[in-house]
Amino acid sequence: EDKVVQSPLSLVVHEGDTVTLNCSYEVTNFRSLLWYKQEKKAPTFLFMLTSSGIEKKSGRLSSILDKKELFSILNITATQTGDSAIYLCAVEASPYGGSQGNLIFGKGTKLSVKP
Amino acid sequence: EPEVTQTPSHQVTQMGQEVILRCVPISNHLYFYWYRQILGQKVEFLVSFYNNEISEKSEIFDDQFSVERPDGSNFTLKIRSTKLEDSAMYFCASGGTFYEQYFGPGTRLTVT
Repeated sequence: EDKVVQSPLSLVVHEGDTVTLNCSYEVTNFRSLLWYKQEKKAPTFLFMLTSSGIEKKSGRLSSILDKKELFSILNITATQTGDSAIYLCAVEASPYGGSQGNLIFGKGTKLSVKP
Repeated sequence: EPEVTQTPSHQVTQMGQEVILRCVPISNHLYFYWYRQILGQKVEFLVSFYNNEISEKSEIFDDQFSVERPDGSNFTLKIRSTKLEDSAMYFCASGGTFYEQYFGPGTRLTVT
């Protein structure tokens, strides 16, 4: 069965701290791994990773994928209270054998950043 | 910045009634998806759609569900006879050339 596992499930830090969120996966026909930030409603796209070892960066956020060990990490440096959210890892796969992949989500990591 | 929109934001319906959830994907996107998230649970894939037909569907997407792209802009999800367990947040997503998926704000469906 395809699965995406995130850890930790929740994390409380103080402003200025650096955090690392983990995502491991076992899926059929892996295509890509995506990170989303979910605040109140819809997941907001952060990164899409398809190749191992190539870091993607956006401001204080960065992410990298290891396709050999089947995991990805999301780093957030100098955290701010506005970073408080649920961070979702999703893997695009094709478990039903179709030509168009779909996203398999992890349960998310709830990050709380305290002032 | 282009975004996916969904209407209504909240729909309350009685068990057994039909509902149609509407989505307007990002205009140059070709791939469309529906997901749902039951309160406190994971986001789950329902169906993907490309070139006017379903590409994939999950076990959740049974005969009670259908999708349509009735014109060049809208993408709809119909639930024919709603059940209590259909209560969830329904997200539409659309994807571009590189398959990244952008989510709409969601429709909260409450079945009473």
